Amino acid sequence: DTGVSQNPRHKITKRGQNVTFRCDPISEHNRLYWYRQTLGQGPEFLTYFQNEAQLEKSRLLSDRFSAERPKGSFSTLEIQRTEQGDSAMYLCASSSSEEQFFGPGTRLTVL
Amino acid sequence: SQQGEEDPQALSIQEGENATMNCSYKTSINNLQWYRQNSGRGLVHLILIRSNEREKHSGRLRVTLDTSKKSSSLLITASRAADTASYFCATEDNFNKFYFGSGTKLNVKP
Repeated sequence: DTGVSQNPRHKITKRGQNVTFRCDPISEHNRLYWYRQTLGQGPEFLTYFQNEAQLEKSRLLSDRFSAERPKGSFSTLEIQRTEQGDSAMYLCASSSSEEQFFGPGTRLTVL
Repeated sequence: SQQGEEDPQALSIQEGENATMNCSYKTSINNLQWYRQNSGRGLVHLILIRSNEREKHSGRLRVTLDTSKKSSSLLITASRAADTASYFCATEDNFNKFYFGSGTKLNVKP
């Protein structure tokens, strides 16, 4: 399968714990995006990379959130000291032009 | 807040009927795209229309763009039960950032 993959697919954690998600984009895509989606809403932009450079970060993203894309390939999104309000679906997308290809998402539940 | 807003929020039709969804946005765009999302899954790109285009077709999909009104519409003709999903419009700005609306939930009854 050469699509975008995300791991894990589901994550249940206790409030205050740190979590890390991984996204493997389509190999030739230089852009990688992270979004957060809550029930009944559209994806909300979090951050975006062009190769290994993080070009944009949403003001919605508190300093508990950090993302990396070492070597411009896979990316990780870490949430420190999780809160119940962080419960959502975290989507990754990659692109080489205008069309984005989305992964299946990681559903985070913070208890 | 998100730039795109879809209307209606929910739409229920019979198989074979046409479905029309509208999207409004706030600022200047490079292009506008429509995506489909089946329950609990990732989004799938459907169609893209550039800011200098007015209408585009792809199979049973027809999208229009009116930049003066900052609005777009997606028409699905001869709907099928498999078209049941949420549909989102997304606008791309000049900095390659995407803004999604809150979506239209389409239910096509067999």
